[in-house]
Amino acid sequence: QVQHVQSGAEVKRPGASVTVSCRASGYIFTNYSMHWVRQAPGQSLEWMGWINVGNGLTKYLEKFQGRVTITRDTSASQVYLQLSNLRSEDTAIYYCARESIYVASRGTYRYTTGNAFDIWGQGTVVSVSS
Amino acid sequence: DIQVTQSPPSLSASVGDRVTISCRTSHNINTYLSWYQQKPGKVPELLIYSASGLQSGVPSRFSGSGSGTEFTLTINSLRPEDSATYYCLQSYSTPRTFGQGTKLEIK
Repeated sequence: QVQHVQSGAEVKRPGASVTVSCRASGYIFTNYSMHWVRQAPGQSLEWMGWINVGNGLTKYLEKFQGRVTITRDTSASQVYLQLSNLRSEDTAIYYCARESIYVASRGTYRYTTGNAFDIWGQGTVVSVSS
Repeated sequence: DIQVTQSPPSLSASVGDRVTISCRTSHNINTYLSWYQQKPGKVPELLIYSASGLQSGVPSRFSGSGSGTEFTLTINSLRPEDSATYYCLQSYSTPRTFGQGTKLEIK
């Protein structure tokens, strides 16, 4: 079935780096973009960045620029989130999420009505503590 | 960046009630808004896409409306299992931005 399986929990020291993986299955991996979202304890969801899985282009939230890298391995249907120079504030659950595009038709004219995160990974807990 | 303001932060309602949650965006995003439900300790789940499209498998008591800058999630005939935090997300532009969430308690 369509699903994302993420790597296991991580415990890191401040200043270290972490890599979280997300393996996709059940759909054509390169037809979608993949996003990373995190949620600190008791907080809202925070978008971090995304990768166009087909061409590898990435965009990141400005606050993470220089610390975050998203990559993909199309042969393994995996996407990776690397976050460096970890701080205690990076303690959170990290999710990968597939973005689907929704299209409507009016006669022969087709147009996009929106995008949404329809398939999520189970989440990876990253704890940063000295 | 597009700001998303979600309200109320929390609400309490009884089984059978109808509730509405609102999201306002700082720029016109057409219908590029989606709604998610997250239960404690669980992964967020897509409820509504393109402002009003019901995701497959989601009960019809959930509905969404709006376009431009004002959006609403409505839950009719509340059930105990609707107790959760609800988020909206704008996907018109990057960075994507979530609302702050609305925690719904069922009395």
